[in-house]
Amino acid sequence: GAVVSQHPSWVICKSGTSVKIECRSLDFQATTMFWYRQFPKQSLMLMATSNEGSKATYEQGVEKDKFLINHASLTLSTLTVTSAHPEDSSFYICSARGEILNTEAFFGQGTRLTVV
Amino acid sequence: AQKITQTQPGMFVQEKEAVTLDCTYDTSDQSYGLFWYKQPSSGEMIFLIYQGSYDEQNATEGRYSLNFQKARKSANLVISASQLGDSAMYFCAMRGVYNNNDMRFGAGTRLTVKP
Repeated sequence: GAVVSQHPSWVICKSGTSVKIECRSLDFQATTMFWYRQFPKQSLMLMATSNEGSKATYEQGVEKDKFLINHASLTLSTLTVTSAHPEDSSFYICSARGEILNTEAFFGQGTRLTVV
Repeated sequence: AQKITQTQPGMFVQEKEAVTLDCTYDTSDQSYGLFWYKQPSSGEMIFLIYQGSYDEQNATEGRYSLNFQKARKSANLVISASQLGDSAMYFCAMRGVYNNNDMRFGAGTRLTVKP
């Protein structure tokens, strides 16, 4: 199956700093990428949807100025957590969709963010 | 709006036995896809099985089968011959045709396989 690479796999940062997470589709062009957040023992909650070359669509309750998403190319989307706070500590995972609509979503390995 | 419901927070099964993980959904879309993913403690999402809303046959993938009952809007996952390595979180998910094909997840079921 297609490969989606997400980096870093884990990161620890200080409160107030920004952290960038990358999501790359390695062997296909991802027209759409999705960013999810997962708190411990909870489900994946969709944060935003990004389409290449356009602004991301954020889910209700997700601050777009705090979680900056850039989908500059068909193989790369980035999520930047700005001015991180301890409550932003979570597991962030991206998925990418190619041109075939009914295939599985391909997920990155996830990034465990800890804000201290 | 789409909604996925998994009512079993945790399930136990004896090794080598079969287990059914429940999933119901609600959508106004006529065309949609249903998915099951396994998430071990490492966090990665492992695709297990897919069922299209217009598929007449229940999907099967090795030891995994999906009991799709469209009229009841249920898509239960059946794991046969459970193995210790099957212990993990299992998520049911749905993707519609609209809204960029985003995928929504149920709350998940933690499966524990006992030796």
